Amino acid sequence: EVQLVESGGGLVQPGGSLRLSCAASGFTFGIYWMTWVRQAPGKGLEWVASVKQDGSEKKYVDSVKGRFTISRDNAKNSLYLQMDSLRGEDTAVYYCAKHKDAADSSSRFDYWGQGTLVTVSS
Amino acid sequence: DIQMTQSPSSLSASVGDRVTITCRTSQSISRYLNWYQQKPGKAPKLLIYVASNLQSGVPSRFSGSGSGTDFTLTISSLQAEDFATYYCQQSYSAPTFGQGTKVEIK
Repeated sequence: EVQLVESGGGLVQPGGSLRLSCAASGFTFGIYWMTWVRQAPGKGLEWVASVKQDGSEKKYVDSVKGRFTISRDNAKNSLYLQMDSLRGEDTAVYYCAKHKDAADSSSRFDYWGQGTLVTVSS
Repeated sequence: DIQMTQSPSSLSASVGDRVTITCRTSQSISRYLNWYQQKPGKAPKLLIYVASNLQSGVPSRFSGSGSGTDFTLTISSLQAEDFATYYCQQSYSAPTFGQGTKVEIK
């Protein structure tokens, strides 16, 4: 059974940092692109960042470029999101998501974690 | 960025009704359009990918169609468990989502 379990969310002050983790199991983690998607309270879904199977290619939404870093450790079946210089508008539930097709960057997400809430407030 | 416009933003329907949700994109995306269902407090669930392909395990009352800039999600006979918010998402370029359509009980 595919499982994605996020952790690391919490309350942080504006300008602060947080590192999210996503532990994957039930599939061959290293052959899939992986993605972070967020959802502000009461709002819609927003793609944040994606990383290639070997970590050699990373893509970001413009609003987080230079502040967030996506990474992965295939030996630990884990995905990460380092978030620096956090702003109020980064407040959201952050989901990790698995791309549907192995060795394919196409962004369709067939499994999602339960999400972790990040609140940026003083 | 490719802009996504879903309509309606919300609708009220009864069990057994046929429901149609539309998604329009700001430029042609061929058939690179996916649909998700999200229930309150839960993660999104993939329903349809590449415009009309039913994801494994999804009931056949869900169907998708369209190409280019205009797409449709249809629920042929609404069931109680289908009351949720539905999102379209393009995978032609950097992914973007529609604003969502909330399907409520009439």
